[in-house]
Amino acid sequence: EAGVTQSPTHLIKTRGQQVTLRCSPISGHTSVYWYQQALGLGLQFLLWYDEGEERNRGNFPPRFSGRQFPNYSSELNVNALELEDSALYLCASSLWGVTAGRDYNEQFFGPGTRLTVL
Amino acid sequence: GENVEQHPSTLSVQEGDSAVIKCTYSDSASNYFPWYKQELGKRPQLIIDIRSNVGEKKDQRIAVTLNKTAKHFSLHITETQPEDSAVYFCAGVERGGKLIFGQGTELSVKP
Repeated sequence: EAGVTQSPTHLIKTRGQQVTLRCSPISGHTSVYWYQQALGLGLQFLLWYDEGEERNRGNFPPRFSGRQFPNYSSELNVNALELEDSALYLCASSLWGVTAGRDYNEQFFGPGTRLTVL
Repeated sequence: GENVEQHPSTLSVQEGDSAVIKCTYSDSASNYFPWYKQELGKRPQLIIDIRSNVGEKKDQRIAVTLNKTAKHFSLHITETQPEDSAVYFCAGVERGGKLIFGQGTELSVKP
């Protein structure tokens, strides 16, 4: 069974540009989570999508947005890039959701996209 | 919401010794506590988890203990090996299923 995949692997952008990151969850998983991991820091929760809807978002400005498609894959969009957006962006998927009826979730992470903003 | 504090931020042990990482959480309703291991340049991977209806869970050299009254849980690694060197993250679950991670512990096992 294939794991969570993300694309691209690496990305270099300049300040003010826009970027789109992509994530494909494990087959059958309905929830997708996005995290930002800046160098030397922990995992900061960005967004959570389940069944095509945004369920929760972390303390990030509105220029961070995303969506989930009917096949449960997801995109993370970052507008007006700033230098401090340089980080590893991790996507995770799980079975949690209204359909799963669980109150906890085991999240499986993708390899991440390394974004560098110059 | 849930807040998870993790200590220590760095830990260095000799090969064969034990390592203990501790986390505290704030939401008494939290009922699931996973631990992730992230090796350098790799993705976080779940190594063990515990639900609030048990006090301890063990998997070979790794064990997790949970004290619901004190709202803290710990990861114990026995007979450490160099390949245990990594960053370890604990997490709690906020109401609605969102994972809140601790700050991470960088474990270094010296041969």
